[in-house]
Amino acid sequence: KAGVTQTPRYLIKTRGQQVTLSCSPISGHRSVSWYQQTPGQGLQFLFEYFSETQRNKGNFPGRFSGRQFSNSRSEMNVSTLELGDSALYLCASSPGLAGFYEQYFGPGTRLTVT
Amino acid sequence: GEDVEQSLFLSVREGDSSVINCTYTDSSSTYLYWYKQEPGAGLQLLTYIFSNMDMKQDQRLTVLLNKKDKHLSLRIADTQTGDSAIYFCAESIKYGNKLVFGAGTILRVKS
Repeated sequence: KAGVTQTPRYLIKTRGQQVTLSCSPISGHRSVSWYQQTPGQGLQFLFEYFSETQRNKGNFPGRFSGRQFSNSRSEMNVSTLELGDSALYLCASSPGLAGFYEQYFGPGTRLTVT
Repeated sequence: GEDVEQSLFLSVREGDSSVINCTYTDSSSTYLYWYKQEPGAGLQLLTYIFSNMDMKQDQRLTVLLNKKDKHLSLRIADTQTGDSAIYFCAESIKYGNKLVFGAGTILRVKS
């Protein structure tokens, strides 16, 4: 079975721009979660989607948003980028709701904001 | 509250056993995880243990769970240089549908 895929793997954007990241979960998995990893804050939960509905959201500003499609693929969007948004964005795939099933991570998208 | 703590650094010699420790706070956690991250890579799920288990063994990996003390450990037997990485402990927050991670333990294996 193919693993979790994320595109693009690397991205460089300018402050004020917006960005969309994509995640394709493992086939058959219905939950997709997003995490931000930075040297200062570590791994922090952004949001989880299950059956096209956001089930939980972390403590991030409204500039961070996401959605999930009927095929379980998910996108996250960050608008009005700030320098502090530079991070590794990781997507996790789970057969069911993330609190009840194991989660598998993709390779991440490295976002650099200049 | 939600908090996971780990020691930051561990150095061992090749062939020795490594033990990485973690404490967590949420007593309603369903799963507790160990992930491995190599430089420039995502998180690799190494193993996980369900909260009603005390121990799980998977080849060179042994996970011990002490629910009373909310303490989790990962033992790597016969540690190899390829085991050098950052190891993250995480607990699943049952009603939050998310994982809470520790800061990670850097494991350095000396040959």
